[in-house]
Amino acid sequence: GDSVTQMEGPVTLSEEAFLTINCTYTATGYPSLFWYVQYPGEGLQLLLKATKADDKGSNKGFEATYRKETTSFHLEKGSVQVSDSAVYFCALSEGGSYIPTFGRGTSLIVHP
Amino acid sequence: NAGVTQTPKFQVLKTGQSMTLQCAQDMNHNSMYWYRQDPGMGLRLIYYSASEGTTDKGEVPNGYNVSRLNKREFSLRLESAAPSQTSVYFCASSESSVTYEQYFGPGTRLTVT
Repeated sequence: GDSVTQMEGPVTLSEEAFLTINCTYTATGYPSLFWYVQYPGEGLQLLLKATKADDKGSNKGFEATYRKETTSFHLEKGSVQVSDSAVYFCALSEGGSYIPTFGRGTSLIVHP
Repeated sequence: NAGVTQTPKFQVLKTGQSMTLQCAQDMNHNSMYWYRQDPGMGLRLIYYSASEGTTDKGEVPNGYNVSRLNKREFSLRLESAAPSQTSVYFCASSESSVTYEQYFGPGTRLTVT
């Protein structure tokens, strides 16, 4: 079956540092890929998505590129802020399936 | 446009009590979902409803029942609460389209003592 593997956290960074959170997946077909963010005490919200190979999703300074050859969708941001402290979830969904597959989540802590 | 709303936000139950968690969406989405989130376990799907009139079990359905009341509303019922059901519960909805991106509610924090 489908699966999503994320790097374990917490990831701890200083403000203005570069962020990478790794995500790899296994899927039988050609899934859509997502990053969701969960701020403390809130539900998940969609951060960005990519629907086909080589697509780049971007939002709020975050970027991720759909790499079919390495089955990866790593999340990056050039300069993190304290307000980016949250849990980040990588996910996929395949056409025809109503059920998405989520990674375990990676906690990001940004210090001033 | 409120998105996905959940009630209540917090609840404390005693073992054996019952309760219903309510969820509603105003985005005209066909599919709705119930998840639970526990520390170190990520999100686990309890039940989902692909469309109005249908419901299906997810990964952890035991101890729960659901009702898709209409296209907008999808409730989750705990008939006899157990301490193992202490968790944060999220409702989500999605369009029945190619990407199935999900929209989540703010969650219900449930403690069973």
